[in-house]
Amino acid sequence: GQQVMQIPQYQHVQEGEDFTTYCNSSTTLSNIQWYKQRPGGHPVFLIQLVKSGEVKKQKRLTFQFGEAKKNSSLHITATQTTDVGTYFCAHNAGGTSYGKLTFGQGTILTVHP
Amino acid sequence: KAGVTQTPRYLIKTRGQQVTLSCSPISGHRSVSWYQQTPGQGLQFLFEYFSETQRNKGNFPGRFSGRQFSNSRSEMNVSTLELGDSALYLCASSLVYRVSNEQFFGPGTRLTVL
Repeated sequence: GQQVMQIPQYQHVQEGEDFTTYCNSSTTLSNIQWYKQRPGGHPVFLIQLVKSGEVKKQKRLTFQFGEAKKNSSLHITATQTTDVGTYFCAHNAGGTSYGKLTFGQGTILTVHP
Repeated sequence: KAGVTQTPRYLIKTRGQQVTLSCSPISGHRSVSWYQQTPGQGLQFLFEYFSETQRNKGNFPGRFSGRQFSNSRSEMNVSTLELGDSALYLCASSLVYRVSNEQFFGPGTRLTVL
């Protein structure tokens, strides 16, 4: 399947600083999803992007899908300790493969109070 | 609605044994997917079941198998366990007809192979 590279692998920030994680593919993606996994927890869906150049916001979180649909980013403004966790991008090939998600390696976010 | 449930939550087995994990999806969800999560390989897709049929399969050996029942509950089986099978096994369910086909994950089964 289409691989997605996610960077950085780790990010340590002070509370109040911003945070960004990037997801890149060498091929065009039909969609991109973002999940958050708290330490000891399970992935929780955050959002799905499907349109070229799409930007969606959820409070302090901003999600973007690139114009060429080969990259995506998640930006968190003014991080809080509750933002701690691993953020994954993922995609499926659509059609009958929508139940098969290919995940990026994840970015582990640590927020120091 | 109740979330996705998985049983057991923790399991310890020895090499060579087999194990069966169970997943109950959210009511009304007919698609159930299984993933293996390890520190080294991350989250990897195992297989997906829809209406009792395996619809998609990941790159795992034949020792990994699964099935889905008419009530959408699913089980996965790993035979002849190896040390490398130690992982968090996650089940996820989703609605078929939805624009945003997010997957809802269960808490996982932590399998340790000794």
